[in-house]
Amino acid sequence: DAKTTQPNSMESNEEEPVHLPCNHSTISGTDYIHWYRQLPSQGPEYVIHGLTSNVNNRMASLAIAEDRKSSTLILHRATLRDAAVYYCPPQVQGAQKLVFGQGTRLTINP
Amino acid sequence: IAGITQAPTSQILAAGRRMTLRCTQDMRHNAMYWYRQDLGLGLRLIHYSNTAGTTGKGEVPDGYSVSRANTDDFPLTLASAVPSQTSVYFCASTVGNPYPTEAFFGQGTRLTVV
Repeated sequence: DAKTTQPNSMESNEEEPVHLPCNHSTISGTDYIHWYRQLPSQGPEYVIHGLTSNVNNRMASLAIAEDRKSSTLILHRATLRDAAVYYCPPQVQGAQKLVFGQGTRLTINP
Repeated sequence: IAGITQAPTSQILAAGRRMTLRCTQDMRHNAMYWYRQDLGLGLRLIHYSNTAGTTGKGEVPDGYSVSRANTDDFPLTLASAVPSQTSVYFCASTVGNPYPTEAFFGQGTRLTVV
């Protein structure tokens, strides 16, 4: 199965940009890249997804490497509410399922 | 808008007892999933269903069973609970066919097996 690698934890300051990396070296050509986050005591929530081109929405931006072996989730101005665990689950090829790993625990300092 | 509804919210269960966690969605999504999340860890896939009438095994299926009689409901059953099944259980459904583009999660069921 495809796997992703993320740092266990990251720390940033409020109102500064945050770049969360994800390595997905085993991704296949048609697999989408997804990002989710989990706020304390809540279920995960969708953040963004993309295939080849960079993507923007109201929550974040997704920068995808040209070879698609890595991606970066960008929070342009972090707030305290962005403190969460961020996941980039690989899509299992040929199946409709998302397999989550450990994620990156993001701490935002006031 | 309800989305994904899980019941119960929490439960304390004696070891050896049978328990069914309920999950209902009102979005008519084809695919549904059950995950467990142990304290401080990520989510692990237990079982999934790509469409009504079909189910598949995830990463940690042992000790759990599921059924998908219709589009809306995806119950998870622990036939004989053990303490290692103490966890928070999340149900989810996804938009998108053939590839999931966005997953919606319930608020979770906190299960303690004693």
